[in-house]
Amino acid sequence: DIVMTQSPDSLAVSLGERATINCKSSQSVLYNSNTKNYLAWYQHKPGLPPKLLIYWASTRESGVPDRFSGSGSGTDFTLTISSLQAEDVAVYYCQQYYSVPYTFGQGTKLEIK
Amino acid sequence: QLQLQESGSGLVKPSQTLSLTCDVSGGSISSGGYSWSWIRQPPGKGLEWIGYIYHSGDTYYNPSLKSRVTMSVDMSKNQFSLKLSSVSAADTAVYYCARDSRHGYNSYWYFGLWGRGTLVSVSS
Repeated sequence: DIVMTQSPDSLAVSLGERATINCKSSQSVLYNSNTKNYLAWYQHKPGLPPKLLIYWASTRESGVPDRFSGSGSGTDFTLTISSLQAEDVAVYYCQQYYSVPYTFGQGTKLEIK
Repeated sequence: QLQLQESGSGLVKPSQTLSLTCDVSGGSISSGGYSWSWIRQPPGKGLEWIGYIYHSGDTYYNPSLKSRVTMSVDMSKNQFSLKLSSVSAADTAVYYCARDSRHGYNSYWYFGLWGRGTLVSVSS
């Protein structure tokens, strides 16, 4: 199984400031034949299902604000929120869909400082 | 607009079988060639993908649960189901159903559509 490890486990950022969450996979999730990274990011708020933010490591899902961006390749990835808003308080998960079983990171809890 | 809704037993006794159903509304479970997954989240823990099923009945289960998992699809009711046998307290979780994503003829298992989830507790 591909193990996904996120850092930090929790993060407190001031409103309007940048938030950065990291995700590392135990093996590359870059598929050489199409040069795509099989990595997604989700936002999870209590009582709601996870919401897809980013797929292919950097493609923003329709309707997701452009303050959310994803970067990275191979085994190291980053989710960046450029200017934190109050509604961004949530737990964020990365997920690899390169190989079965599909696996998620342990989550990063984002709070307001 | 397609929606998913989980339903089933909220309380299951240890060693018994957990049964859940995901109703698909706003579209046909058989259209588009999608697979339909189950994903769970134990309290205070992360997300675990359980497996998927196609409308054809083809399945893939997470090896960690494979010996206890059975998924099925009922086209007449536009729903798919999960059975997890021999449950223990470790199976207490919010269970989500979700749909994969497709680009052209290819499926990719990131999940843009989820049900709201249902809590299943395992307790005597």
